Amino acid sequence: AQSVTQLGSHVSVSEGALVLLRCNYSSSVPPYLFWYVQYPNQGLQLLLKYTSAATLVKGINGFEAEFKKSETSFHLTKPSAHMSDAAEYFCAVSEGGANNLFFGTGTRLTVIP
Amino acid sequence: NAGVTQTPKFQVLKTGQSMTLQCAQDMNHEYMSWYRQDPGMGLRLIHYSVGAGITDQGEVPNGYNVSRSTTEDFPLRLLSAAPSQTSVYFCASSSAGANDEKLFFGSGTQLSVL
Repeated sequence: AQSVTQLGSHVSVSEGALVLLRCNYSSSVPPYLFWYVQYPNQGLQLLLKYTSAATLVKGINGFEAEFKKSETSFHLTKPSAHMSDAAEYFCAVSEGGANNLFFGTGTRLTVIP
Repeated sequence: NAGVTQTPKFQVLKTGQSMTLQCAQDMNHEYMSWYRQDPGMGLRLIHYSVGAGITDQGEVPNGYNVSRSTTEDFPLRLLSAAPSQTSVYFCASSSAGANDEKLFFGSGTQLSVL
């Protein structure tokens, strides 16, 4: 069975500081892994996707995530937070050929000026 | 390009009432799906479709019906609304299933059942 655990429902960082959002997954087969962002009153937008081509995945808006099989982790990072990064972030997992994404419970990022 | 359009944006129902949440996409996507988002639970799949005339259940299908008579539309029906169906509902579509990096989400329908 697939599942995702996001550690920390709320994360606050200062503007310019490192952003680290944690995600651990469970999957019986090599997974597809995703990070989505949701701005207030909007749908989800894809930040990045892991498909086994490379363990370090670069996404939009300066975000990247590293797939670590030994730790079953896919943490999202950004070197320097910007006010516009304030949003809710969701990690998701899927198995190849599946028609469902299993989402984590989300992490709300607050950026302090 | 409108993308994925959901209507209405907000709806209040009384227990036992029925209604249909509308979802339309103009990208000729074969795959469409409905998720519900609840506080502290992330998004959960209700139903999905991989083409006109084909639908299947997701994780939480009870209390919801769907049909797919055209490629563009994928309505979600609540036959007898219950307070447990109070949630934010998102429709999503892509050309290649849930794994597609071009999975587009609508802006959501906020439903309250009293």
